[in-house]
Amino acid sequence: DGGITQSPKYLFRKEGQNVTLSCEQNLNHDAMYWYRQDPGQGLRLIYYSQIVNDFQKGDIAEGYSVSREKKESFPLTVTSAQKNPTAFYLCASSRLQEPLHFGNGTRLTVT
Amino acid sequence: RKEVEQDPGPFNVPEGATVAFNCTYSNSASQSFFWYRQDCRKEPKLLMSVYSSGNEDGRFTAQLNRASQYISLLIRDSKLSDSATYLCVVRGMYSGGGADGLTFGKGTHLIIQP
Repeated sequence: DGGITQSPKYLFRKEGQNVTLSCEQNLNHDAMYWYRQDPGQGLRLIYYSQIVNDFQKGDIAEGYSVSREKKESFPLTVTSAQKNPTAFYLCASSRLQEPLHFGNGTRLTVT
Repeated sequence: RKEVEQDPGPFNVPEGATVAFNCTYSNSASQSFFWYRQDCRKEPKLLMSVYSSGNEDGRFTAQLNRASQYISLLIRDSKLSDSATYLCVVRGMYSGGGADGLTFGKGTHLIIQP
């Protein structure tokens, strides 16, 4: 089955630690995205990538980093520089100019 | 003015009723429009794209009004399972300068009551 997979579903980390969230898609989509959602809030774009080895900052990129070494994979690292990392993280992919397809999300809790 | 605006609700509607809500957008150059459904603590899922001529998918009807810059979603014969948050998504011209052109509304929370 084609789809977009995020792992893990729940992640707990201590403050000061970097953590990497996985996102893999087998839909052959060119574009991939990372969003953050806080309770009662809309989705905010962290980073996106239109092609391999290229990515762009979104609205809230500070404290995050990404890589796009393969078309299928777009991991997100939440660094210790991110002040409020506890959130629901959503990865998405799409063909250019088409609707986004989302993974089932990773809920990160940092204490 | 916010780029994409939705009434957050919640809208409490009896089962079987018809409910409609709008989403306004500020960029007149916006090119494509979508409605997503998001259940509590889950990912958004595409409900339907919105076409210029309006489109229908079963009990759901989406319409676009470019002159007034809003899209609408109408749900007929509402079911308990329609309870969710409905997100409006607007795509503008891809600028290539750091903006992917996509803007999400914050969503309208719908509760269908038995």
